[in-house]
Amino acid sequence: KQEVTQIPAALSVPEGENLVLNCSFTDSAIYNLQWFRQDPGKGLTSLLLIQSSQREQTSGRLNASLDKSSGRSTLYIAASQPGDSATYLCAGFGDNYGQNFVFGPGTRLSVLP
Amino acid sequence: DTGVSQDPRHKITKRGQNVTFRCDPISEHNRLYWYRQTLGQGPEFLTYFQNEAQLEKSRLLSDRFSAERPKGSFSTLEIQRTEQGDSAMYLCASSFMSLRAETQYFGPGTRLLVL
Repeated sequence: KQEVTQIPAALSVPEGENLVLNCSFTDSAIYNLQWFRQDPGKGLTSLLLIQSSQREQTSGRLNASLDKSSGRSTLYIAASQPGDSATYLCAGFGDNYGQNFVFGPGTRLSVLP
Repeated sequence: DTGVSQDPRHKITKRGQNVTFRCDPISEHNRLYWYRQTLGQGPEFLTYFQNEAQLEKSRLLSDRFSAERPKGSFSTLEIQRTEQGDSAMYLCASSFMSLRAETQYFGPGTRLLVL
């Protein structure tokens, strides 16, 4: 069974700092990985998708990478802003655990002004 | 198209009652997923459809749960004889699956409270 861990569980940083969120999978046979943002009481917003042929994706101040050999992904947020405060979840999609995404529990980020 | 929509956004019911939720996906998407999310956890997969066919169901989906997507467009999720443990956020997502690459787009969710 695929299990996903996200470290840290919560993070509080001052505005302007660069930060890294970590995600790891027990089964490294992932061919798609997606990072999401979730605001309190709301649905999930897709941030970045890393497909099987890719190792990283960038969008604005966000950069996500995937190391398939270890089953680990990182989400890098540059120059953090208070509006980045949310829960960030990673989800993996692979051949060994059905046709669905398996989600991590999320990292709750607070960016202080 | 404004994205994935879900109705209702909130539902309070008494234990033992039946509830039904609706999801309208992005129109050109061929896949539709249902997830359940409890506080402090990531979403847990329940079931998914490819067009109108229900292709996979999680062991979380007991026989009190049933989902349909009759014409390959909107979907409904029904919970019969609700229990307090069913209280959660129910999320719907849709995607267009192509060459094993898909981005899931989520709706705002239906928050269920069973008293």
